[in-house]
Amino acid sequence: QVQLQESGPGVVKPSETLSLTCNVSGDSITALSWSWIRQPPGKGLEWIGYIYYRGTTTYNPSLKSRVTISADASTNQFSLKLNSVTAEDTAIYYCARGKVIFGVVSELDYWGQGTQVTVSS
Amino acid sequence: ETVMTQSPVIVSVSPGERATLSCRASQSVRNRLAWYQQKPGQAPRLLMYGASTRATGIPARFSGSGSGTEFTLTITSLQSEDFAIYYCQHYNNWPYTFGQGTKLEIK
Repeated sequence: QVQLQESGPGVVKPSETLSLTCNVSGDSITALSWSWIRQPPGKGLEWIGYIYYRGTTTYNPSLKSRVTISADASTNQFSLKLNSVTAEDTAIYYCARGKVIFGVVSELDYWGQGTQVTVSS
Repeated sequence: ETVMTQSPVIVSVSPGERATLSCRASQSVRNRLAWYQQKPGQAPRLLMYGASTRATGIPARFSGSGSGTEFTLTITSLQSEDFAIYYCQHYNNWPYTFGQGTKLEIK
């Protein structure tokens, strides 16, 4: 069974870099796609970006200048870095597996439980 | 960016009855639409993809329909565990976006 687990600091200072890791078990991150999604308090979901196929990445234009997603096949983990954070980046951050149909990333079929990140000094 | 709009924001339905949730896209997304269910303190759970295909393990009381810009999620014979927030999400063109959610509450 596929399982994902996020880890990282729960508090990040303004202007610093948010760094999270997602540990994947039950599947290889060299297959399909792997995404980060976030949910601000009491709000809806925002797809941050994804990585797939030999490290190809795609980022939401709203965050593109600040985001890096990377993967490590040796540890079967993928990571998120979001720099220059502000209070608006406070959210629950989820990692998830995305299916790939004819080379197109589609729905998210497995999710981590999410990790709360608060931006505060 | 394709904007997904869900309606209603909140719907109250009695257990055992039917709930109909709507999702509208600001431009055609063909049938590239998924539905998720989210309960308090939990991650979203995939219900439907391709607008009308149930994900693995999803009961038959859940059904999806629509294409283009108008989509519907129908839940028949509501069970207590179905009361949650439901999100639609398209995957037609990047960035993929979610609707703001519909809260299904007990009447």
